[in-house]
Amino acid sequence: GAVVSQHPSRVICKSGTSVKIECRSLDFQATTMFWYRQFPKKSLMLMATSNEGSKATYEQGVEKDKFLINHASLTLSTLTVTSAHPEDSSFYICSARAATNEKLFFGSGTQLSVL
Amino acid sequence: QQQVKQSPQSLIVQKGGISIINCAYENTAFDYFPWYQQFPGKGPALLIAIRPDVSEKKEGRFTISFNKSAKQFSLHIMDSQPGDSATYFCAARWPGNQFYFGTGTSLTVIP
Repeated sequence: GAVVSQHPSRVICKSGTSVKIECRSLDFQATTMFWYRQFPKKSLMLMATSNEGSKATYEQGVEKDKFLINHASLTLSTLTVTSAHPEDSSFYICSARAATNEKLFFGSGTQLSVL
Repeated sequence: QQQVKQSPQSLIVQKGGISIINCAYENTAFDYFPWYQQFPGKGPALLIAIRPDVSEKKEGRFTISFNKSAKQFSLHIMDSQPGDSATYFCAARWPGNQFYFGTGTSLTVIP
């Protein structure tokens, strides 16, 4: 299947700092990428949908100024958690799909811990 | 509101047994129904998927049964193995883009 690479897999940062998470589609052009947040033993919570070259669409309750999403190319989307706080600690997962393929592929996730 | 309802929340099956996870959806506009398998600390991986014009799809030990009139679909894992122990998510796709996920089922296969 298609490969979506997500980095870093784990990051620990101090409160108040910013953290960038990268999501790359390695063998297909991802016209749409999604960012999720997942709490332990819980389902995937969609944060935002990004289409290449346009602004991300955020779900209700997700602060767009705190969770900056950039989808500058067909193979790369980034999520930047700005001024991170302990409550932002979570497992963040990206997914991607091509315009010509109905399938959705996920990255391996990033465990963010804010001290 | 929950677009896709999944049950059970957790499931324990003996090795060699059949694991069955059920999902129900509300909107008949959904056009694609995938199942994902997630191991702890990893992202979900696409397991098997079905379109609504098919009533059953089988890939190895994994089978999706789809009942369009009842708006239900289920995942059957035959000859369940300890390595199948994971969390399983069903999903439904709104035409175009948006995917809606079930709440997940934690499967434990005991030797």
